[in-house]
Amino acid sequence: QKEVEQDPGPLSVPEGAIVSLNCTYSNSAFQYFMWYRQYSRKGPELLMYTYSSGNKEDGRFTAQVDKSSKYISLFIRDSQPSDSATYLCAMSGTSYGKLTFGQGTILTVHP
Amino acid sequence: SAVISQKPSRDICQRGTSLTIQCQVDSQVTMMFWYRQQPGQSLTLIATANQGSEATYESGFVIDKFPISRPNLTFSTLTVSNMSPEDSSIYLCSVFQTEAFFGQGTRLTVV
Repeated sequence: QKEVEQDPGPLSVPEGAIVSLNCTYSNSAFQYFMWYRQYSRKGPELLMYTYSSGNKEDGRFTAQVDKSSKYISLFIRDSQPSDSATYLCAMSGTSYGKLTFGQGTILTVHP
Repeated sequence: SAVISQKPSRDICQRGTSLTIQCQVDSQVTMMFWYRQQPGQSLTLIATANQGSEATYESGFVIDKFPISRPNLTFSTLTVSNMSPEDSSIYLCSVFQTEAFFGQGTRLTVV
């Protein structure tokens, strides 16, 4: 069993839709939870970062963490074609910078 | 935020040869990391590059195959040795400064 499981998709939605991306994890030592966006032929860029259970909002993006269920989510509201990318969840324990990634979800938002 | 430059951005290499990838950061950082992203897969941590000491490798990765240098706080190299087609991947350098930043990656194809 992988430490982090993410539905790879692909996911195709119309512009304006609400997108839900999810990851589950098995390692209770994970304390920090991140979502990265990766455009084709680019390195991952950080979207959201949180270390506690609950919701964190940043513009159209909301990150949700449920440590009791070992489950994290990313919601994208009013999705745009420019949101089309691969979304990766990532987690770490106390070793900052050592990240464990999910498989990534390929998202396409069509006009 | 840290700006990371990786060279080369891509290369096609013959099996049995070696390739050295360079990672330059625009500021001094304590920790640098090397990841591999195989086709259609997520990122997997290869090793942590420590300045002044040997790199720390993750399970499944060994120094003979992936020797790493870290001569100072802004630079590191990763060598992929005795390459086979299975080494065809994107190799990414990462640094941690309150969050993890990634370079653009080196797309390696072994023929």
